[in-house]
Amino acid sequence: AQSVAQPEDQVNVAEGNPLTVKCTYSVSGNPYLFWYVQYPNRGLQFLLKYITGDNLVKGSYGFEAEFNKSQTSFHLKKPSALVSDSALYFCAVRDSNSGNTPLVFGKGTRLSVIA
Amino acid sequence: GAGVSQTPSNKVTEKGKYVELRCDPISGHTALYWYRQSLGQGPEFLIYFQGTGAADDSGLPNDRFFAVRPEGSVSTLKIQRTERGDSAMYLCASSLGILGEQFFGPGTRLTVL
Repeated sequence: AQSVAQPEDQVNVAEGNPLTVKCTYSVSGNPYLFWYVQYPNRGLQFLLKYITGDNLVKGSYGFEAEFNKSQTSFHLKKPSALVSDSALYFCAVRDSNSGNTPLVFGKGTRLSVIA
Repeated sequence: GAGVSQTPSNKVTEKGKYVELRCDPISGHTALYWYRQSLGQGPEFLIYFQGTGAADDSGLPNDRFFAVRPEGSVSTLKIQRTERGDSAMYLCASSLGILGEQFFGPGTRLTVL
C-alpha cells in the first residue's frame, strides 16, 4: 500500500530565507507525486506534480520540488519565502503500477513565514 | 472558468439525521473524488467516480455512506444515521482524467451534534 510521511508538523522560516517542507513516500511501483497548499477556510490548491522526466519540478508561486528516487523523497522548496506563503502544505502520492488508485495524502505541514 | 463548488459550505445536524452534500465539478472533468478531512489530518479518500460509475468506493467507512453521480457531472454524498464521529470537512475534487491534477472545492464542514 502507498503512504506518505511529512515528518514536520510545523516549519518556521524568516521572510526572505529559503524554505523546505519535507515529504517521503512509499509505493510498490513508480510514484506520481503532488504538492497542494491549503489556506484557512479554503480548498486545497494544486502547486506542482511529478509524473516522469526531470527530477526538479517547478510549480506555482515560485515553488519547486525535487524528486529523489534513492531517498524516496519529494521535498518542496522555495528560494525566498514570503509571509503570504504561510499555510498548510500537503504532499500526496499515487502508485502508477496499481491502476486507478486514489491519492494518498500526508497529514500536512504548517508553514509559518515570519516578517 | 468556474472551479469546483460544494454546497452547503456548512451543515449542522443532529445525531441520527440524514444529510446530503453536493459537489459541482469543473465542466468536462470526467473524474470526481470525495475526501474527508479531520482536524489536523490530511484528506482521506472516500470514493472516486469515472463518469457515472463509482470506480473505487473502498474508502467509504461503512454502509451509512453512499454517493451518486447519475449524469456524470454533479455528485451527491449521502450520509444516513449520522454520528458525532462523522463531523469533518468533506472535500470534493475533479480532474480531466485519472492522471491529471485534482482541483478541489472549498469543502463542506459537517458538524453532528
